[in-house]
Amino acid sequence: GQQVMQIPQYQHVQEGEDFTTYCNSSTTLSNIQWYKQRPGGHPVFLIQLVKSGEVKKQKRLTFQFGEAKKNSSLHITATQTTDVGTYFCAGPWGNYKLTFGKGTLLTVNP
Amino acid sequence: DAGVTQSPTHLIKTRGQQVTLRCSPKSGHDTVSWYQQALGQGPQFIFQYYEEEERQRGNFPDRFSGHQFPNYSSELNVNALLLGDSALYLCASSWTQETQYFGPGTRLLVL
Repeated sequence: GQQVMQIPQYQHVQEGEDFTTYCNSSTTLSNIQWYKQRPGGHPVFLIQLVKSGEVKKQKRLTFQFGEAKKNSSLHITATQTTDVGTYFCAGPWGNYKLTFGKGTLLTVNP
Repeated sequence: DAGVTQSPTHLIKTRGQQVTLRCSPKSGHDTVSWYQQALGQGPQFIFQYYEEEERQRGNFPDRFSGHQFPNYSSELNVNALLLGDSALYLCASSWTQETQYFGPGTRLLVL
């Protein structure tokens, strides 16, 4: 079945440092979605990428979809304490199922 | 406009018992998906309901069943609870295959 792998599993940074998490799928994806889950919270949709090589920005967050549509990355510039949480990528499997990676837990030292 | 709501927020059960979790989708959404999230893991797809029918199922045993009502709300039932069923149960709603919006979840503890 489809597998979605994320690295690193954990990342601790000093406030102001950059952060990147990587996502790799075992199969080509029609799209990839990113979610953020704060500690004790639920996943919140951030963005969906559809096109090969697509790059989208949301303020300090930059999302990229690989040319082969099997990998993606999320980069945060100048992290802030509000960025703390687990970042998940997810890809569709079949028509309806979303397969999530295990996530990258980001902690930020003020 | 209320988002996705779930009840109860927390639940404690003992092994062998049965549990029913409830979900009301975001206004305008007709599709409900259920996920199980164990501690430190990503959400795992249980099943999806559309037009009151289950239309895809993940790798979960038949102890997990569900229902969708005409108003699009949904229930997740788990029978013969095991310790390993302890997790955060998330409901996500969408309009057809558009973006899924997650509810706050129900934290289930099985003792």
